[in-house]
Amino acid sequence: KQEVTQIPAALSVPEGENLVLNCSFTDSAIYNLQWFRQDPGKGLTSLLLIQSSQREQTSGRLNASLDKSSGRSTLYIAASQPGDSATYLCAVASGAGSYQLTFGKGTKLSVIP
Amino acid sequence: DAGVIQSPRHEVTEMGQEVTLRCKPISGHNSLFWYRQTMMRGLELLIYFNNNVPIDDSGMPEDRFSAKMPNASFSTLKIQPSEPRDSAVYFCASSLAIGQANTGELFFGEGSRLTVL
Repeated sequence: KQEVTQIPAALSVPEGENLVLNCSFTDSAIYNLQWFRQDPGKGLTSLLLIQSSQREQTSGRLNASLDKSSGRSTLYIAASQPGDSATYLCAVASGAGSYQLTFGKGTKLSVIP
Repeated sequence: DAGVIQSPRHEVTEMGQEVTLRCKPISGHNSLFWYRQTMMRGLELLIYFNNNVPIDDSGMPEDRFSAKMPNASFSTLKIQPSEPRDSAVYFCASSLAIGQANTGELFFGEGSRLTVL
């Protein structure tokens, strides 16, 4: 059974800092890995999707990497802003014969002005 | 594009009552997922449909929960009878099934917050 872990559970940084969020998974037989953002009381917004054959994806100030062999992904946020404050969730798509997305519990990020 | 639409956004009911949550996926998407989110357990997959057919319902907690997808543009999640431990945010999500041209990127609705008293 796939398990996804995100460390730390919470992170507080001053505005302008670069930061890295970590995600690890136990089963390397994955279809893809997605990073989501969730604001309080809202749904999840897809940020980046890395397919199993890819090593990284970039969107603006965000860069996500994937190392399947070690079961790790990182989300790098450059020049953080208060508007980046949210919970970031990592999800891995795997499952023989089906498409199951397993989520980590998220990292709650606070960017202090 | 209107995105995934869920209703109601908030539902407060008493134990024993029937609850029906509704979802309209993004037009053209052929996979639909129901998730439940709680502080203790995070996001849990309840059931997923592909081309309106339930593929995996192993996450449905018990017989009190049922889900249907009568057509490509509508799905329901029903709880009968409801219990206080069912209180959670229920999310619907949709995607194009993973394939050569499709990444399987998942799009979520805003969720239905259920409180069972």
